[in-house]
Amino acid sequence: EVQLVESGGGLVQPGRSLRLSCTASGFTFGDYAMNWVRQAPGKGLEWVGFIRRETYGGTTEYGASVEGRFTISRDDSKSIAYLQMNSLKTEDTAFYYCSRGTPYYYETSGYQYWGQGTLVTVSS
Amino acid sequence: EIVLTQSPGTLSLSPGERASLSCRASQSVSNKYLAWYQQKPGQAPRLLIYGASSRATGIPDRFSGSGSGTDYTLIISRLEPEDFAVYSCQQYGTLPLTFGGGTKVEIK
Repeated sequence: EVQLVESGGGLVQPGRSLRLSCTASGFTFGDYAMNWVRQAPGKGLEWVGFIRRETYGGTTEYGASVEGRFTISRDDSKSIAYLQMNSLKTEDTAFYYCSRGTPYYYETSGYQYWGQGTLVTVSS
Repeated sequence: EIVLTQSPGTLSLSPGERASLSCRASQSVSNKYLAWYQQKPGQAPRLLIYGASSRATGIPDRFSGSGSGTDYTLIISRLEPEDFAVYSCQQYGTLPLTFGGGTKVEIK
């Protein structure tokens, strides 16, 4: 059974940093891209970015609102994807979900598997 | 970026009725790479449809998707009590990937 578990959320002050983790099990982690999607309370879904599998160099893509501040990385030996969030703003307050992506260079079939999400609150 | 506009914002229907949800893109969605998700309060999204019309694993056949180019539709043929939720579309054919704002299907 595919399982994704996010951790690392919490309350953080504006301008500070936070790192989220997504621990995967039930599949060969290194064979898939991993995605991050966020959702501000009461709002719609927003794509944050993804990291491709190492076959494709582990390259990353980001949404405009986080480009340059957020970094996605992965540790295939531990089956963990990370979201490093720097220079946090109040508008980054959201539930952050990880999801399993595609084994290919580009996404081909939507996000079948999701974690339960972790809440990040950016406030002074 | 491709902006996805969903309508209506809220759909008030009774169980057993048919629901029709629209997702309109600001430009053509590449390869019909359009997905639909269902989300209930406190839960992660659930993939319903991908590739505009393919049902995801375990999704009942009362859910169907159609469309091409810039116009896509999700149909729920007969609403069951568990179908009242928020539905979001996503295009994954062009970077950056984008989601629509969602349609809430509520009990009338």
